Amino acid sequence: DVKVTQSSRYLVKRTGEKVFLECVQDMDHENMFWYRQDPGLGLRLIYFSYDVKMKEKGDIPEGYSVSREKKERFSLILESASTNQTSMYLCASSLYQGRTLGGDEQFFGPGTRLTVL
Amino acid sequence: AQKVTQAQTEISVVEKEDVTLDCVYETRDTTYYLFWYKQPPSGELVFLIRRNSFDEQNEISGRYSWNFQKSTSSFNFTITASQVVDSAVYFCALSEDAYNTDKLIFGTGTRLQVFP
Repeated sequence: DVKVTQSSRYLVKRTGEKVFLECVQDMDHENMFWYRQDPGLGLRLIYFSYDVKMKEKGDIPEGYSVSREKKERFSLILESASTNQTSMYLCASSLYQGRTLGGDEQFFGPGTRLTVL
Repeated sequence: AQKVTQAQTEISVVEKEDVTLDCVYETRDTTYYLFWYKQPPSGELVFLIRRNSFDEQNEISGRYSWNFQKSTSSFNFTITASQVVDSAVYFCALSEDAYNTDKLIFGTGTRLQVFP
């Protein structure tokens, strides 16, 4: 079974702090994703990565950066946390088998509920 | 523009009732994939089904069934004889082939509460 783990289930930080959210997957997946989930807004894509050191902005990248130094690990960084970044953060991964077979399902981690005070 | 609409924010039913969750999508691509995910109170999204745009056959899996209609751009999900364990938030999602990266566009979700 694919396992996606996130470093913390709950996190409380202060405004202005630098925050690191870590995600690790154990199934050699090519793609990894970071979403935030807010009530009434569903899941919104922050960043995704389709290979080591490769990244692309999602729909709401402002205030975030990412790092993918190893295939299994994808980190989300809040350079200077603000209260409007209080949210649930979900990491996901997918295999991606190439253009002819695309549309693989994403496997999700348990989420990190971040509160910024 | 790509978009997924789940107009039902919250649905409450009593156990054993049938319930249908609606999903309407917009896309310009001819090749795309549709998904349903379940998010129980524990928070982790669980994959339920994937459908590609060339396969309009309805699917049944136990008490779950899905109705895909390209003519109305809908991919509805029905739970037959609902149970308390079905209580969760359900998300419909769309993945287009254009970017070849499995990116998903999610709807806003429907919270289903099943009462005993």
